Amino acid sequence: QVTLEESGPVLVKPTETLTLTCTVSGFSFSNARMGVTWIRQPPGKALEWLAHIFSNDERSYNTSLKSRLTISEDTSKSQVVLTMTNMDPVDTATYYCARNPGDEYDISGYYTLDYWGQGTLVTVSS
Amino acid sequence: EIVLTQSPGTLSLSPGERATLSCRASQSVDSGYLAWYQQKPGQAPRLLIYGASSRAPGVSDRFSGSGSGTDFTLTISRLEPEDFAMYYCQQYDSSPRTFGQGTKVEIK
Repeated sequence: QVTLEESGPVLVKPTETLTLTCTVSGFSFSNARMGVTWIRQPPGKALEWLAHIFSNDERSYNTSLKSRLTISEDTSKSQVVLTMTNMDPVDTATYYCARNPGDEYDISGYYTLDYWGQGTLVTVSS
Repeated sequence: EIVLTQSPGTLSLSPGERATLSCRASQSVDSGYLAWYQQKPGQAPRLLIYGASSRAPGVSDRFSGSGSGTDFTLTISRLEPEDFAMYYCQQYDSSPRTFGQGTKVEIK
């Protein structure tokens, strides 16, 4: 059974750095073309893609947030970590991690998002 | 980066009716690597369609996807009560990946 679970602080202050952890189970992050993506959703607003990391260590970031984001993985712990620096109230959102299924799908689905965590709400306020 | 524009913003329909949702890309999604997700209030999104037209495992055949290049469509053939929700398209053809702004399908 594939699961992803986000964890991290529920409240951060402006200018602080946010560190979120996605703990995965039921699959091996080392499988070919498999990856983990972070997505966020401000209250009442649309989904926003943030970053992804794949088993071959390929990483990509949201263009407008690139300077503030870092994604990394700890395969031994089955965790993917996202850090976002210089937090602002506009960064208040539910943060999700999701799996890119790689070879578990045909080629057209390698990089879609098939399993999602339940999300964690992060509020930025002083 | 590829900008996705979804229309309409809100679709008001009755159960049993057909829903047609549009997703237009600012540049061609050459490989057809476009997905559709359904999201209900308080829940994480759920994958419906990938590769523009392939249904994800366990997804009802009421849902179908079509399109290529810059124009993609999600069709719900006969709306069931559980289909009233938000729908997002996403391209994963190029980085950075991007989502559309969503279409809300509401009960008329």
